[in-house]
Amino acid sequence: AQSVTQLGSHVSVSEGALVLLRCNYSSSVPPYLFWYVQYPNQGLQLLLKYTSAATLVKGINGFEAEFKKSETSFHLTKPSAHMSDAAEYFCAVSLGTGNQFYFGTGTSLTVIP
Amino acid sequence: GAVVSQHPSRVICKSGTSVKIECRSLDFQATTMFWYRQFPKQSLMLMATSNEGSKATYEQGVEKDKFLINHASLTLSTLTVTSAHPEDSSFYICSASPRTPRRSEAFFGQGTRLTVV
Repeated sequence: AQSVTQLGSHVSVSEGALVLLRCNYSSSVPPYLFWYVQYPNQGLQLLLKYTSAATLVKGINGFEAEFKKSETSFHLTKPSAHMSDAAEYFCAVSLGTGNQFYFGTGTSLTVIP
Repeated sequence: GAVVSQHPSRVICKSGTSVKIECRSLDFQATTMFWYRQFPKQSLMLMATSNEGSKATYEQGVEKDKFLINHASLTLSTLTVTSAHPEDSSFYICSASPRTPRRSEAFFGQGTRLTVV
């Protein structure tokens, strides 16, 4: 079975500070892992994905995530937070192309000026 | 490329009426589309898998007679909420992936905010 756990439903950082959003997964097979961002009343936008290639994945808007199999983690980071980064972030796992996604409960990121 | 369009973005309906939500893949074909539901401040929960030309597969606890899914073509899936009630008020999102070239990520529609009054 597949599942995703996001630690911390709310994270607040100061503008310019490091952003760290945590995600741990459980999967019976090698997973595909994703981070999506959702702005209020909008759909989901893909930030980045891991599909068994490089373990350090770079995404859009300066975000990156590292797949650590030993820790079953896929934490999302950004060196310097921007006000526009304030949104809801979802970690998700999939078994592969064309398969359903399992989402974490989401982390709401607040950026303090 | 790989755009998924969902319509309407917002709908308000009276209790007891039915509402249809459309999910279209604009520039690719999708044999499978997924419908998710998101309650306020919660994550997305898969409701059903829509399969082109065949019956949808519903997740446990989702009433198939209440949430009718029709995947009539490779670019269109519809979700009809029948006899809607206030507890059906939610954010509904569809997703799809291209058949070719095969993509690992899902592409999501903009979502539909349903309010039943």
